[in-house]
Amino acid sequence: GAVVSQHPSRVICKSGTSVKIECRSLDFQATTMFWYRQFPKQSLMLMATSNEGSKATYEQGVEKDKFLINHASLTLSTLTVTSAHPEDSSFYICSASGPTGYNEQFFGPGTRLTVL
Amino acid sequence: AQSVAQPEDQVNVAEGNPLTVKCTYSVSGNPYLFWYVQYPNRGLQFLLKYITGDNLVKGSYGFEAEFNKSQTSFHLKKPSALVSDSALYFCAVTREMGRRALTFGSGTRLQVQP
Repeated sequence: GAVVSQHPSRVICKSGTSVKIECRSLDFQATTMFWYRQFPKQSLMLMATSNEGSKATYEQGVEKDKFLINHASLTLSTLTVTSAHPEDSSFYICSASGPTGYNEQFFGPGTRLTVL
Repeated sequence: AQSVAQPEDQVNVAEGNPLTVKCTYSVSGNPYLFWYVQYPNRGLQFLLKYITGDNLVKGSYGFEAEFNKSQTSFHLKKPSALVSDSALYFCAVTREMGRRALTFGSGTRLQVQP
C-alpha cells in the first residue's frame, strides 16, 4: 500500500516552454503533498508543501510564479515549470502523506527534467 | 529549525563486513527519524523509521538503526553488507508536532566491494 506515482518519468523540453509533472497517490488520500528538487549528487531540497484545496506554501527562494503547484484533489498534485530554462533541469520528486499522518511520507519515483 | 548531518560523503566496505552510515540531527521537540535509499535515477525507497519506543529499529533488507537521544544520532547499520546495498542513503528528520516536511541530510554513498 501507499504507492505514489509520477508522470512523466523523464521529459525533455525547449527553453521557454512549460512542463507539467503529475504526482498521484494511487491507493490512499493524500492530505498533504510535498515537492522536492534534487541536483546531481546532492540532497533533496524542499520546494513547496501543498494541501488539498488550498494554496501551496513555498520555501524561501522558490519562485511561486515559476513553479506552479496545484493540489486539486486528494490524490493528485501537479507541478508546472513555466518558461523553463536550462538551470531548471533537475530531478523532481514528490511525496505524499495522509494515511498515517504528517510524520510519514511516501515518495514518487521522480521526474527527470532536461531543458535544452 | 531542523537539520540533519551525514558527515561521510562515501563509505566503503567489503562484502560480508558490517556497515555503518552515520547521521546526527537537530530538531526542537521529539524527532521522527527516517532512512531512505536511492538508486540511480530513481526515487527514494523507505528503509526504516523511528517514531517512539525501542531505540533499535529494524527495517527493510536487513538494515537497522539505533536512536540515541543523548548523542542526537540515528546511525544506520547492517551486520553483513551486500554488493547490491551499494547506493545513496539519506537520513531525514521531522518533528512530532506540526505540518512540516522532511529535512534531509546530504546523503552518503555506500560502496560495497565484492
